[in-house]
Order: sequence, then structure tokens, then C-alpha cells
Amino acid sequence: DPKIIQKPKYLVAVTGSEKILICEQYLGHNAMYWYRQSAKKPLEFMFSYSYQKLMDNQTASSRFQPQSSKKNHLDLQITALKPDDSATYFCASSRGTGGQNTLYFGAGTRLSVL
Amino acid sequence: GQQVQQSPASLVLQEGENAELQCNFSTSLNSMQWFYQRPGGSLVSLFYNPSGTKHSGRLTSTTVIKERRSSLHISSSQTTDSGTYLCALEKGNTGKLIFGLGTTLQVQP
Repeated sequence: DPKIIQKPKYLVAVTGSEKILICEQYLGHNAMYWYRQSAKKPLEFMFSYSYQKLMDNQTASSRFQPQSSKKNHLDLQITALKPDDSATYFCASSRGTGGQNTLYFGAGTRLSVL
Repeated sequence: GQQVQQSPASLVLQEGENAELQCNFSTSLNSMQWFYQRPGGSLVSLFYNPSGTKHSGRLTSTTVIKERRSSLHISSSQTTDSGTYLCALEKGNTGKLIFGLGTTLQVQP
């Protein structure tokens, strides 16, 4: 059984629209993350949360907003979608932050913006 | 430039052969991790290895911080080892990982 659930697995959106990517983890972890993987680029860190508080934000655009309603949830809202936002978005979690923490990844949400 | 460089970019082996994957980094770090990315896309943690050598089955990871490198050795490769191997370094205390582009391994029967 997957311990980090991402929904949906595939998502097609129209330019200018808004979408929410869902992530839930059942590992009992305190830290959660979002990463993005685009073609020909390394997996790119976006956000980290610890105990539902933002720890780090490397996303230049405010169109990307993480939302944490519970400790084991970290959704990603993306507004005013652009074709360049097309990528696979991975949610991850770890016991904590700050070293000695193995990351566990979800299966990803593949987003295509037309 | 990229802070994490992986080599080779791709590798084709015959089943049973060994593989040595390299990861070099240009910055200081807290730790180094190796991941396996399945052809379908999901990532699996292989090693958390900030320094020294660690073993797991047919896999061995060696990190030498002073030389800013880490390696992943796969012995007696199998077709199921095919996929992409990613190394990542951790900086700071926010859990942020910086990834390399990966080595794509294809093991042929």
C-alpha cells in the first residue's frame, strides 16, 4: 500500500485555469515537501513544511501556494496555469528536517497545461 | 552551474555486469542521498550516506566529503535494475535536497 498518496495521477489543464494537487502521507512524518520534475531538468525543490509551518520556499512565483490543513496533508494550489508549468509534481515526507532524514516520495502528479 | 553532477549520463550493461555511478558536488553539504527512479516515475530511497561506505544487498554507496564525491556500485546487475539513479545533497536545515540529472541505466538480458 502506498504510504504517500498523490491525487490525481494525471491532470490536464487549460492555460489560465487553477488546479489543486493533493498529497497525504501515512508515515507519521512531521515534514512534507513538494518537488517538480520537468523534462531535461533535475528534480527541483519547491517547498518544505515542518509541523505545518513553512520552512523553505524556493518557488519564485506566488502562483504556487502550498496548503496544509492537517499535519499529514500538504496540497499544492497552482493558479493562472501556464504551459511552462507542465511537469511531474512529487510530494515527499520525512521524519524531520535538518539532516539524517531520508525522504520518501509519492508517485507524482503529471500535469499538462495546454 | 549545477551543484550536483552525475556521470555517466547513461549506461548500458549486460546482465551480470557491474556498474559504478558517480556523483560530484561543488558545494558544502549536510548529507548525500541516493534514489532510484522507476521507469514509471516514482522514487525510492536507496541510501542516506553522509560519509563512508554503506551496503545494501548488491548495492554499495561510498561518500568522501573531502573530495566532494559519492559513488554507487551495483554488482551483478539484473534487468530489474534498469531505471534512473539520482543523487541528491542536502543543504541547510530545511530538508531541501539538490538533485543531479541522474544516470539512466539499462540492463539487457
